[in-house]
Formats: sequence, structure tokens, C-alpha cells
Amino acid sequence: GQQVMQIPQYQHVQEGEDFTTYCNSSTTLSNIQWYKQRPGGHPVFLIQLVKSGEVKKQKRLTFQFGEAKKNSSLHITATQTTDVGTYFCAGNHGSSNTGKLIFGQGTTLQVKP
Amino acid sequence: GAGVSQSPSNKVTEKGKDVELRCDPISGHTALYWYRQSLGQGLEFLIYFQGNSAPDKSGLPSDRFSAERTGGSVSTLTIQRTQQEDSAVYLCASSPRAADSWEQYFGPGTRLTVT
Repeated sequence: GQQVMQIPQYQHVQEGEDFTTYCNSSTTLSNIQWYKQRPGGHPVFLIQLVKSGEVKKQKRLTFQFGEAKKNSSLHITATQTTDVGTYFCAGNHGSSNTGKLIFGQGTTLQVKP
Repeated sequence: GAGVSQSPSNKVTEKGKDVELRCDPISGHTALYWYRQSLGQGLEFLIYFQGNSAPDKSGLPSDRFSAERTGGSVSTLTIQRTQQEDSAVYLCASSPRAADSWEQYFGPGTRLTVT
């Protein structure tokens, strides 16, 4: 079936280091979304990517959507302790946007001060 | 404005009992989703409502699970004859489905513990 794989599962970094999480789909995505879940909290929407090869930035966060629309990445520059949490990618499969998302398993980021 | 609300926030039930979980989406959002999240795991899609269309129930794990959405707003997820493996956080989300924007807004979840 349709799957979204996310790696790594866990990442521990020293504050100030960079961090990247990768998301791969078994099928082409119409769009991909990224969410952040703080410990004990609920997922919060970060961004949506729609176009092939799209790159979007939010301050220290850079999101990319692959040319084939089957993979994506989130890169955080100079991590801070406020970046701690689990980052999920979520893809909408197929050529049309049905709204149904398949979530990756998430990457949990720990930042050591 | 008000976000997605869910009740109860915590529910402890005995194995074999039925439970009902409630979700109040953001006003005006046409799409509503239910997910299940086990400890330290990702989000497992359960069911999706969009307007007046038939819901997408493809994620419901068994026929003990059902959900309704009344009047295009409030939704109830019902689990019959609960089992210990049903223990998880049940998250509800709604989406405005505005143009090409499908971001989902999550509620705080209901933590279900089956003893």
C-alpha cells in the first residue's frame, strides 16, 4: 500500500548543530506537509509543498520537495533547544488532492544545550 | 479563534466496554479526520469526512470502530468492546480545504487507556 518512510527515527544534536530529516514515498505525491509535535503536545502544521523541486524557508527551517515529488526534506540550521520535538512529514498521494494524508513515522529531535 | 477541541481529555475504561470520543472542529472547516497515535509512534489514519461525501473509512482497524459526523460539524468516534490494544491517543483534526491548502489543525487528543 501507500507508505511514507521517514529517517532517521531519532537524532540527538548539540545546540548549534544542523539537523536534517528525510521523507520518502513509495508513490508520487500531489503535495507534502510537515508537522511538528512537541513532547506531550499535538501535531502543529508547519508548511505545505506542492510543486516539483519546490524549496521554502521559514527562518532557520528549509523545506524541499523532490523533482519527482516522491521525497522531501526538512533542514534546521543551528538548532536551538526550542526545536526539540518530533517532526512528521505527511503526503497526499495521487494526482488529485483528496485531503487524506499518509504520515511518516516521524523523526524525534533532541537538542543538548 | 477557537481551535479543535476534543473530549474527554483522558478516558480509562475496562476491557469490553464501549467508549465514545468527541471532536468539535474549527467552525467552517469542511474536512475532519481521526487518527490514532500509540506511545512514541506516528499517526495512524482512521477515518476522513469531507462535506456531504461518504466518509473514507479505509483506516478503521476493525468493525468495532465507527464514526459519525452530525450536521457537518461535531464528530463522534465510537469503539465497541474495547481491547487493551486500543489504548492510544486519539487525535482529531479539521481542515478548511481552501483552494489548494489542506493543512490540518489538530485537537489536543483523547488519551484512552483500556485496563
